[in-house]
Amino acid sequence: QQQVKQSPQSLIVQKGGIPIINCAYENTAFDYFPWYQQFPGKGPALLIAIRPDVSEKKEGRFTISFNKSAKQFSLHIMDSQPGDSATYFCAASKGSGGSNYKLTFGKGTLLTVNP
Amino acid sequence: DAGVTQSPTHLIKTRGQQVTLRCSPKSGHDTVSWYQQALGQGPQFIFQYYEEEERQRGNFPDRFSGHQFPNYSSELNVNALLLGDSALYLCASSSPTSARHEQFFGPGTRLTVL
Repeated sequence: QQQVKQSPQSLIVQKGGIPIINCAYENTAFDYFPWYQQFPGKGPALLIAIRPDVSEKKEGRFTISFNKSAKQFSLHIMDSQPGDSATYFCAASKGSGGSNYKLTFGKGTLLTVNP
Repeated sequence: DAGVTQSPTHLIKTRGQQVTLRCSPKSGHDTVSWYQQALGQGPQFIFQYYEEEERQRGNFPDRFSGHQFPNYSSELNVNALLLGDSALYLCASSSPTSARHEQFFGPGTRLTVL
């Protein structure tokens, strides 16, 4: 059972465009939703994260939109650059004061930003 | 400040062999999690160590085992390797002073099983 579904699988935009990557989750106990960026041969790097008590969070050119009722969240990259070309993963985890902080990842979106 | 480090970078083994992968967490981090990332897939949680004990485990067989040392570094051991164990193995650490959800990943160890 895939608990976090991510789409699209791949995405091509022109420089300056605004790619949007979507994720949907099933487990309502999830309370932390990060996005990771991964370049070939490297480990995932935390980009931005959101908790379900807010509907939007911005950090630089990256914005997360969160819809708790729909159990969906998305990543927007403003003014995308060729250097943003990478694989992006959404993830989710739940924690209630214990050690249950495992991340459940989506399958990833390969983003290509053409110059 | 060094981030999460892993060794070795690459490893080639044959079916049936055993392998040990190593991870040093980011300075100040006490919790280490291990993930397996197959080619073209998202990372899959293997297990997590805190205070030298396995605290949570994902859907992986007992062939996968681990250990955490008093200095918070960790090892992942895989016995009786299968072809399907070929993957990038990622270690992630988290800090006791910030939200434990924030996990920082190392560069990974690329394991190839022939």
